[in-house]
Amino acid sequence: SQTIHQWPATLVQPVGSPLSLECTVEGTSNPNLYWYRQAAGRGLQLLFYSVGIGQISSEVPQNLSASRPQDRQFILSSKKLLLSDSGFYLCAWSLNGNEQYFGPGTRLTVT
Amino acid sequence: GENVEQHPSTLSVQEGDSAVIKCTYSDSASNYFPWYKQELGKGPQLIIDIRSNVGEKKDQRIAVTLNKTAKHFSLHITETQPEDSAVYFCAASIGTYKYIFGTGTRLKVLA
Repeated sequence: SQTIHQWPATLVQPVGSPLSLECTVEGTSNPNLYWYRQAAGRGLQLLFYSVGIGQISSEVPQNLSASRPQDRQFILSSKKLLLSDSGFYLCAWSLNGNEQYFGPGTRLTVT
Repeated sequence: GENVEQHPSTLSVQEGDSAVIKCTYSDSASNYFPWYKQELGKGPQLIIDIRSNVGEKKDQRIAVTLNKTAKHFSLHITETQPEDSAVYFCAASIGTYKYIFGTGTRLKVLA
């Protein structure tokens, strides 16, 4: 069966510091991968998605970037965090554009 | 742009009663409509979905209906239980790979 992992689970970072969040999927090949952000009490905002290694589509222009160095690994990065980057970051995977399955999330607090 | 409206934002029901959450989408090309349940501090969990060639789908106590003409779809939970308390999100597919999510409904089942 497929599983999706995210780490770290929680993170507290000062403004201006770098960020690296990692997501890995097990038990499947060539998944579509997604990064979402969820502000407190709000809905899910799609940040990036990838349909293959090195293929990244950005949905929201901001100081975040994404990379997919391996088939089942998706990384969300920032060079300098802003206060507004605080939120709950969710990774998801799907096959052939069908059902999306979410990971456990990373709660990021920028101070 | 594409949009999904979800109502109500909060819903309180007595245990054993039914709950209904409604969504309206804007993109007439949307053909896949999932529903997610999110418990506090966790990633969303896919609970049921429906495709555009089906008008209704049921899985035990939950059901989803779709009216493509009106661009409406709804989640129905019968015989609600305290463990049904969570935030529920609807979504509509946009293109091949993406969803747009509703803003969420916080369901409270009162014992």
